[in-house]
Amino acid sequence: LAKTTQPISMDSYEGQEVNITCSHNNIATNDYITWYQQFPSQGPRFIIQGYKTKVTNEVASLFIPADRKSSTLSLPRVSLSDTAVYYCLVGDSPISGTYKYIFGTGTRLKVLA
Amino acid sequence: DAGVTQSPTHLIKTRGQQVTLRCSPKSGHDTVSWYQQALGQGPQFIFQYYEEEERQRGNFPDRFSGHQFPNYSSELNVNALLLGDSALYLCASSSTGVGETQYFGPGTRLLVL
Repeated sequence: LAKTTQPISMDSYEGQEVNITCSHNNIATNDYITWYQQFPSQGPRFIIQGYKTKVTNEVASLFIPADRKSSTLSLPRVSLSDTAVYYCLVGDSPISGTYKYIFGTGTRLKVLA
Repeated sequence: DAGVTQSPTHLIKTRGQQVTLRCSPKSGHDTVSWYQQALGQGPQFIFQYYEEEERQRGNFPDRFSGHQFPNYSSELNVNALLLGDSALYLCASSSTGVGETQYFGPGTRLLVL
């Protein structure tokens, strides 16, 4: 199963764009890349998921290079409420025969005023 | 549309006791996964249920068991509680298919004294 590596922490200021990069060198052909946000004592909240190239939704963008060995979550114009832990996951599709998510330690993003 | 719900929200038990946690999946989802999250750590996969069967299991002892009902809801049972079982227990639901995005509930905070 692919393991992910992220920076442990990041600081940013309100209004800035934040990019969090995740490394997943052993990603398998059928694996999707998913990002979650988690506030203290709450369940992780789904942000975005992608397989290749670029995916954008109302809250974030996900950039995946052609080799898929890394991915970058981009949060535009962060606010104080974006202070949270962000997890990058590689999830196995049913085709590969395994179904569990492996969470790393995540990236603690602190947004400063 | 109700999301994933879990009960109870908090629970206090003593060592050696048994506990049952409950989860109702998001509407339309047929798969339930359980995770344990210790303080300051990422969630750790316990097991996943699909079609009332355990489909995949993480590195947890047999004291951790589960069940899925015909309506797709699920229970997590932990026997012979240890102090180290104190954690936030998260339930995630998904719909079987490629990508399998998991949506998490708010969690149950278990404290073992």
